[in-house]
Amino acid sequence: AQKVTQAQTEISVVEKEDVTLDCVYETRDTTYYLFWYKQPPSGELVFLIRRNSFDEQNEISGRYSWNFQKSTSSFNFTITASQVVDSAVYFCALSESTDSWGKLQFGAGTQVVVTP
Amino acid sequence: GAVVSQHPSWVICKSGTSVKIECRSLDFQATTMFWYRQFPKQSLMLMATSNEGSKATYEQGVEKDKFLINHASLTLSTLTVTSAHPEDSSFYICSALILQGTQETQYFGPGTRLLVL
Repeated sequence: AQKVTQAQTEISVVEKEDVTLDCVYETRDTTYYLFWYKQPPSGELVFLIRRNSFDEQNEISGRYSWNFQKSTSSFNFTITASQVVDSAVYFCALSESTDSWGKLQFGAGTQVVVTP
Repeated sequence: GAVVSQHPSWVICKSGTSVKIECRSLDFQATTMFWYRQFPKQSLMLMATSNEGSKATYEQGVEKDKFLINHASLTLSTLTVTSAHPEDSSFYICSALILQGTQETQYFGPGTRLLVL
């Protein structure tokens, strides 16, 4: 069963618009990690954030912000004032305590296209 | 700088040949490495977990005799695609779990694109 759901296949925005990527996860573990990665056309994964299940504080890093809500099992990601360089595929991933911490279960990814 | 490297970055081979992909952790020791596969326009799927000095643990549906994994040292894991066929064409990505202080951090390699003709 899919443990990480990214329902949005592709989002197209015009530069400077905000874009929010949804991520819903499923786990029975009380201890787990959630991640967001960016994959530009080159293919190399770029780490964006890791959040553990006990830390529900929202986080902001520059134009990026994350909203973690355990009540709805969601970990959404917002890019504020998008730029063309933000065009990439973004993956949400889950790592559960019952597995090795390095075993990531990825969502299907959301393609973000930012046009000038 | 990069923490995990992969070699080669891309490879084209004929059907039936074997291809070896190396994953190295640079300047750090990694007791555990992981191998993922990504088909075009799809997500990353974990293939196997590689532990130094022991046999790899394969995910369900991954043929261990076809995808040979060797983790002979704390800085090197290799994935050999044996008797490769066109359906094995994919983007193979490794990652290393590295202990830094008291925290484990995962680093991904840049990936290897395999095209089997």
